[in-house]
Amino acid sequence: GAVVSQHPSWVICKSGTSVKIECRSLDFQATTMFWYRQFPKQSLMLMATSNEGSKATYEQGVEKDKFLINHASLTLSTLTVTSAHPEDSSFYICSAVGGFEPQHFGDGTRLSIL
Amino acid sequence: RKEVEQDPGPFNVPEGATVAFNCTYSNSASQSFFWYRQDCRKEPKLLMSVYSSGNEDGRFTAQLNRASQYISLLIRDSKLSDSATYLCVVILNNNDMRFGAGTRLTVKP
Repeated sequence: GAVVSQHPSWVICKSGTSVKIECRSLDFQATTMFWYRQFPKQSLMLMATSNEGSKATYEQGVEKDKFLINHASLTLSTLTVTSAHPEDSSFYICSAVGGFEPQHFGDGTRLSIL
Repeated sequence: RKEVEQDPGPFNVPEGATVAFNCTYSNSASQSFFWYRQDCRKEPKLLMSVYSSGNEDGRFTAQLNRASQYISLLIRDSKLSDSATYLCVVILNNNDMRFGAGTRLTVKP
């Protein structure tokens, strides 16, 4: 069964809306969670790395004020796309790692901004 | 130069064929290597780890060549269900993951 749950799986909303995506580790404590973005026909691109209880580390070119990441507990990280615009439409995937667990991916969230 | 490079394909092969993918990486300090499989519009799923000694899992064989900085994936007796995109993944350190762009495989009847 799934060990990382991501919600919602599909979001369609108007431009200017803020969207929150949740990533939960179900069977283990995730000390580190990663957020990726994937555009059509492209590979996953790491956006940021978040460690529980500390600020996320963002990759170059990713705006931290645009993509707010919170990792408040060992089982939950959230990504908020603030004031989303059509160019933010993408497939967002989280992954989690902790202890002896290999990296597990969530099911992904397909975000469509109209 | 990209950190992880793969031939994007697509590879179109008949059922039963043997197909091989290569992946090169630029950072010699890379620590761990994996192949992931990604089906269309789905999340990547771990296919297998790659070790220096090479490892095999059924019809799949993965190998690592640290000196030349490449890894490979061999699929024997291809099945229709093997059709997917195969992602080469390299772990730098502290779980810093880098993905290749993926190689698309289509197995045809």
